[in-house]
Formats: sequence, structure tokens, C-alpha cells
Amino acid sequence: RKEVEQDPGPFNVPEGATVAFNCTYSNSASQSFFWYRQDCRKEPKLLMSVYSSGNEDGRFTAQLNRASQYISLLIRDSKLSDSATYLCVVKKANNNDMRFGAGTRLTVKP
Amino acid sequence: EPEVTQTPSHQVTQMGQEVILRCVPISNHLYFYWYRQILGQKVEFLVSFYNNEISEKSEIFDDQFSVERPDGSNFTLKIRSTKLEDSAMYFCASSDRVENNQPQHFGDGTRLSIL
Repeated sequence: RKEVEQDPGPFNVPEGATVAFNCTYSNSASQSFFWYRQDCRKEPKLLMSVYSSGNEDGRFTAQLNRASQYISLLIRDSKLSDSATYLCVVKKANNNDMRFGAGTRLTVKP
Repeated sequence: EPEVTQTPSHQVTQMGQEVILRCVPISNHLYFYWYRQILGQKVEFLVSFYNNEISEKSEIFDDQFSVERPDGSNFTLKIRSTKLEDSAMYFCASSDRVENNQPQHFGDGTRLSIL
């Protein structure tokens, strides 16, 4: 089983749509969780950290289910500028080693 | 907003040669990292560095690789005897802590092409 597993997509959605991405991780010692976005041939950029109680940042909502080792990202009212690859990232406690999923590709169309 | 900077943006090297990739982390950060991303594949952790020594490294980071902080601002990755399969994007990152939920901030990468 992969350490961090994501649906590769692609997800093709119209502007204004709501889209959800899922991620599962295999290492139960993982303690920190993040969503990064990566544009084509660019660096990963932090989108948001994921907290145990779930958290929201504008149109973006992240959820964590430790029992199921599952993380999600919900994007509401999607914009053209949301088109990117979304990377699920996990890290063990006080550990430097971030493990990336392969990413889910999103294309938002007019 | 402070950022991680990397040079060069693109490096082309003959197989067997040595390359040095350079990074300037965010100035108040204490933890530094190198990642690589082979075209079309996921981002992979190589090494982390703290207090002038390697704190962790992956199975990818073998004797071919080394890191150094030669002065107060630069953080370098040296790859000796480069191979075709070393062709990839190499990202430097930094963070101010490693406690939970402290993210790492990435530079815009160096594209390494081995011929």
C-alpha cells in the first residue's frame, strides 16, 4: 500500500462547482497533514494545514479522520485559478520527512 | 512575503559530472530540506538539515549526494557522478520549526537535466 494515496483524477469541473478530493495514508504515526497545490512545472505551495477538528479557509475546507486515516479537501465555488494539482502531504510527529501523494489534477473550465 | 530562492533555475550537465544546486532559505528558518520530483512523478524527500548536520535522509540520499551550509545564508546540494536518472526538479524548502502543523516553504526549484 502506498504511504499516501490520492485519486489522480483528472477532475474537470465548471466554474462555480464544488469538488472534493480524498487522500488516505498508511502510517498511523502520521501527525501533521497538509494540502499543497502545484501548478505545472512549479513548486508546491502550501494551501492549508489540516487540523483534527477540521478547518476552513475561505472556499476551502479540510477534514481529517484519524481512525480511517483519511483526509479530504473540499473546494466550493471553484474558480479558473483553482486549476492545479492538489498534493496531500503527511508528516510524523516532530519529524522532518514530509511524504507527498502523487497529486490530484483539477481543471476548472469556464 | 519572504521566500526561498534557488539557483540556477535550470542546470544542464554531462553524465558523470558533479553539480551543485544552491538555495537561500528564509532568513529566520532553522530547518532546511531538499526534495526532488522526477517529471510526472511525486515529490520525494531527500534530506533534512538542522544545526549544521543532517537530521534525516531518505533511501534515495546515498553517497552520491551531500549537503552543506557553507555560510550563514546558503544551503547546497551536491550530486557527484551524475546519472541520467538524476534528471529531475530539485526543490529546496525551509521551516522555522518541526512541531506539528509547521509547514515547509518551497523554493521554485532547479531543473536538472543530465545528458
